[in-house]
Amino acid sequence: GENVEQHPSTLSVQEGDSAVIKCTYSDSASNYFPWYKQELGKRPQLIIDIRSNVGEKKDQRIAVTLNKTAKHFSLHITETQPEDSAVYFCAASRAAAGNKLTFGGGTRVLVKP
Amino acid sequence: DTGVSQDPRHKITKRGQNVTFRCDPISEHNRLYWYRQTLGQGPEFLTYFQNEAQLEKSRLLSDRFSAERPKGSFSTLEIQRTEQGDSAMYLCASSPMDTQYFGPGTRLTVL
Repeated sequence: GENVEQHPSTLSVQEGDSAVIKCTYSDSASNYFPWYKQELGKRPQLIIDIRSNVGEKKDQRIAVTLNKTAKHFSLHITETQPEDSAVYFCAASRAAAGNKLTFGGGTRVLVKP
Repeated sequence: DTGVSQDPRHKITKRGQNVTFRCDPISEHNRLYWYRQTLGQGPEFLTYFQNEAQLEKSRLLSDRFSAERPKGSFSTLEIQRTEQGDSAMYLCASSPMDTQYFGPGTRLTVL
């Protein structure tokens, strides 16, 4: 089955700096890669996703890149703000497996004002 | 609110009791997924439905767990003879195809 690894497990940045979280996946057939933000006690909230036919996607301060050859994808947050503090999860899925998500272990991001 | 809803939000039970959780998906979504999340970990897949058909169950889902989605609308997840190891957040997500939207979860505590 799919295995997703996520690094780092914790990330502390100064407000205004950039944050980068990296994930690797094992199943080359995976074709959908979402990122979720989860605040304490809240539901995972989809913040951006990318499909395997695209190498990069951007939405305001958030961008995701995908390298299918190396089987890794990354989340980039620019101009970080205190409200970006949360746990971020990457995930991978493939259509042939019902699109069930396999999640990474999460990255706790702390943005210091 | 037209998002995914779950009920109850919190459940405290004694070991050995049965519990049932409900998930109401976004109305036009034909896929519904159940995940379990323990503290500090990412959600783990349990099972999913396409309309009313349960298409896959994880090995994590012991025979004490059963899920249904009658009529392809809401879904229930039942845990029989609860154990302390069942304590977790149970998350439901619905999807029209690949993008999944999560509900607020049901936090289960087994004493």
